[in-house]
Amino acid sequence: EAQVTQNPRYLITVTGKKLTVTCSQNMNHEYMSWYRQDPGLGLRQIYYSMNVEVTDKGDVPEGYKVSRKEKRNFPLILESPSPNQTSLYFCASSPIPGNTIYFGEGSWLTVV
Amino acid sequence: DAKTTQPTSMDCAEGRAANLPCNHSTISGNEYVYWYRQIHSQGPQYIIHGLKNNETNEMASLIITEDRKSSTLILPHATLRDTAVYYCIVRGLSSNDYKLSFGAGTTVTVRA
Repeated sequence: EAQVTQNPRYLITVTGKKLTVTCSQNMNHEYMSWYRQDPGLGLRQIYYSMNVEVTDKGDVPEGYKVSRKEKRNFPLILESPSPNQTSLYFCASSPIPGNTIYFGEGSWLTVV
Repeated sequence: DAKTTQPTSMDCAEGRAANLPCNHSTISGNEYVYWYRQIHSQGPQYIIHGLKNNETNEMASLIITEDRKSSTLILPHATLRDTAVYYCIVRGLSSNDYKLSFGAGTTVTVRA
């Protein structure tokens, strides 16, 4: 089954403790991206990648890092999480060229 | 900098057609109209897209006006499971256009 898989789905962590949210897709897509969703602000893009070893900032990249060492994986790294990074995070992927962008089920992250 | 305007909310009776309007008066010639929906806090789900012709798939129909400044998503026989936030998004298909700019969307409530 074609899918975008995120882990963990739910996480409560403490300020400053590094964490990684993994994202994996099994569709051989070139494009992958991370969004965060906050009440009243909608979905905003954090980082994206057009292919292996090619990443770029989205609209809200501060406090986040990403890497794209393999085509299928695009982890989101929070080196020193802060409470303002408490949010619902979505990973997405798409073929290039392609019409449909597929989203994962989301990861709820709470930083206390 | 949202490129689309949608009503904030609308109700629909189960079994009836739901017509969701969207204005995109600044759409350019190479930009498509996409519709996604988000059920509760799940990952956004692709519904349909079109350039200038009307489109239909197993989920919905998309009617685009001749001047392309507005469109309507039609859910032909709404069910309770269609209750969701529906997003109308304008995007091109060049390599720089894979970011989806989500607005506030229309919250659709299907009532029994």
